[in-house]
Amino acid sequence: AQSVTQPDIHITVSEGASLELRCNYSYGATPYLFWYVQSPGQGLQLLLKYFSGDTLVQGIKGFEAEFKRSQSSFNLRKPSVHWSDAAEYFCAVDTGRRALTFGSGTRLQVQP
Amino acid sequence: ETGVTQTPRHLVMGMTNKKSLKCEQHLGHNAMYWYKQSAKKPLELMFVYSLEERVENNSVPSRFSPECPNSSHLFLHLHTLQPEDSALYLCASSRFSGSSGRETQYFGPGTRLLVL
Repeated sequence: AQSVTQPDIHITVSEGASLELRCNYSYGATPYLFWYVQSPGQGLQLLLKYFSGDTLVQGIKGFEAEFKRSQSSFNLRKPSVHWSDAAEYFCAVDTGRRALTFGSGTRLQVQP
Repeated sequence: ETGVTQTPRHLVMGMTNKKSLKCEQHLGHNAMYWYKQSAKKPLELMFVYSLEERVENNSVPSRFSPECPNSSHLFLHLHTLQPEDSALYLCASSRFSGSSGRETQYFGPGTRLLVL
């Protein structure tokens, strides 16, 4: 069965520092991959997605992610974090069964 | 309004109550979803409606009853819930294109449900 692992439950970075959130998936074929962000008390906002083509995808709010088939990873990056980026981040995979399988999320805290 | 809206945003109900959650999408999509987000568990898919027909149940207890009267509206009817049903209930929508087309799901803000 497909699965998504986000190994870091909680990450703290300083404002202005770079960020990388890890995501590993388990799926036999090429998955469709997503990153969503959830601010406290809010729903999920789509940051970016990978369907095919260029393995480095750009998203909103200055985020990017790189699909690495050999590592079954889809890590999210941002070169300089802003205090407003503090939120929970979810990686998800669509395996074509009309449902997204989500990771357990990574909570990002930003220090001034 | 734009995007996906959900009402109410917060709901407190007793175990014997009957209530309904409402979701409305303004994106011209034709598929809608209910997800449950609990404190200790990843997001779980509950129901999928595509072209107003339910295509996935995902083994949800019968105390949750979905209704999709048209492609823009989705309801989740609740009755005799348990305290462990307290969670954030998220609605999402997408454009289903059939064949092997993949979809991007857009989420509403959720309804925070507390069952006493």
